Amino acid sequence: KAGVTQTPRYLIKTRGQQVTLSCSPISGHRSVSWYQQTPGQGLQFLFEYFSETQRNKGNFPGRFSGRQFSNSRSEMNVSTLELGDSALYLCASSLISGGNGDTQYFGPGTRLTVL
Amino acid sequence: GENVEQHPSTLSVQEGDSAVIKCTYSDSASNYFPWYKQELGKGPQLIIDIRSNVGEKKDQRIAVTLNKTAKHFSLHITETQPEDSAVYFCAAHDLSKLTFGKGITLSVRP
Repeated sequence: KAGVTQTPRYLIKTRGQQVTLSCSPISGHRSVSWYQQTPGQGLQFLFEYFSETQRNKGNFPGRFSGRQFSNSRSEMNVSTLELGDSALYLCASSLISGGNGDTQYFGPGTRLTVL
Repeated sequence: GENVEQHPSTLSVQEGDSAVIKCTYSDSASNYFPWYKQELGKGPQLIIDIRSNVGEKKDQRIAVTLNKTAKHFSLHITETQPEDSAVYFCAAHDLSKLTFGKGITLSVRP
């Protein structure tokens, strides 16, 4: 079974721009969670989607948003990029719901650099 | 909210020795505790997990123990190998999401 895939793997943007990242979960998995990883803050939860609905949201500003499609693929969007948004963005998929304690499997991440 | 702390932040062991990484959590309602290994340039990989109704779980050279009373859990790696060198993250699930520790860099010296 193919693992979690994320595209693109690397991205360079400038301040003020917006960016969209994509995640395809493991086949059959219905939940997608997003995390931001930085050296200073570690892994921080952004949000979780299940059946096209946002189930839970972390403590991030409204510039961070996401959505999930009927095939469980998910996208996250960051608008008005700031230098501090530079990070590795990780997507994790779960069979039913990561929010309910299902095992989460991570993708390779998208490395976003904001200049 | 949940707070997960990981100790130590770095650990260096000789190949063949054992390594123990400890984590503490704050929310007594947390009931699921996974461990992830992250190699350079890759996403975190689940290596073992434990649920609150179990005190210990083992998978070949890796084991995890959970003490719910003291609110801490530990990862034990025996017969360490150079390929075990990586960053290890513990996490706790507090009924709504996973909260991660800051990670520990394990170096296995050949």
